[in-house]
Amino acid sequence: RKEVEQDPGPFNVPEGATVAFNCTYSNSASQSFFWYRQDCRKEPKLLMSVYSSGNEDGRFTAQLNRASQYISLLIRDSKLSDSATYLCVVNVYSSASKIIFGSGTRLSIRP
Amino acid sequence: DTAVSQTPKYLVTQMGNDKSIKCEQNLGHDTMYWYKQDSKKFLKIMFSYNNKELIINETVPNRFSPKSPDKAHLNLHINSLELGDSAVYFCASSPTGTSGGNEQFFGPGTRLTVL
Repeated sequence: RKEVEQDPGPFNVPEGATVAFNCTYSNSASQSFFWYRQDCRKEPKLLMSVYSSGNEDGRFTAQLNRASQYISLLIRDSKLSDSATYLCVVNVYSSASKIIFGSGTRLSIRP
Repeated sequence: DTAVSQTPKYLVTQMGNDKSIKCEQNLGHDTMYWYKQDSKKFLKIMFSYNNKELIINETVPNRFSPKSPDKAHLNLHINSLELGDSAVYFCASSPTGTSGGNEQFFGPGTRLTVL
């Protein structure tokens, strides 16, 4: 089982739709969680951190469920510019710190 | 102003050659990283340096040798290049290392093609 798993997609949705991604992680020592966005042939960029209480940034909402070890990202009123790959990232702290990226979920928004 | 820069952006070379990729950050961050993103787009950490000291060294062939002359630079030297080394290599930096859960800032990537 991969340490961080995501549905690879692609998700192909119309503009204005709401889309949700899930990510599961296997290591219970995971302590920090993030969603990054990567455009085609570009570098990853932080979209938002994920907090235990859940957090929202405009049209984006992130949730963390520690008991079930999953993280979610909800995008409301999707725009064409949201088309990208969304990467789930987990920091694991045990004897040493470890950063693990999921393989990403591709999202394509159509007009 | 470029925050994390890498050179070269593209690198095409023959098997068996030795090559280097340079990375510089002007953000004043303490920690720098090298990642490899393969053809399946899977991004995997290779190394992490904090204030010029190695803190993460994943299972990477010893043909790969990072060098940090100061905390603003982390270069990657690769000896005896193999076909499987073809990938995009990203450099990144963060303020206080992974334990703080801080955002990582990535460079634009170096696309390495080994023929």
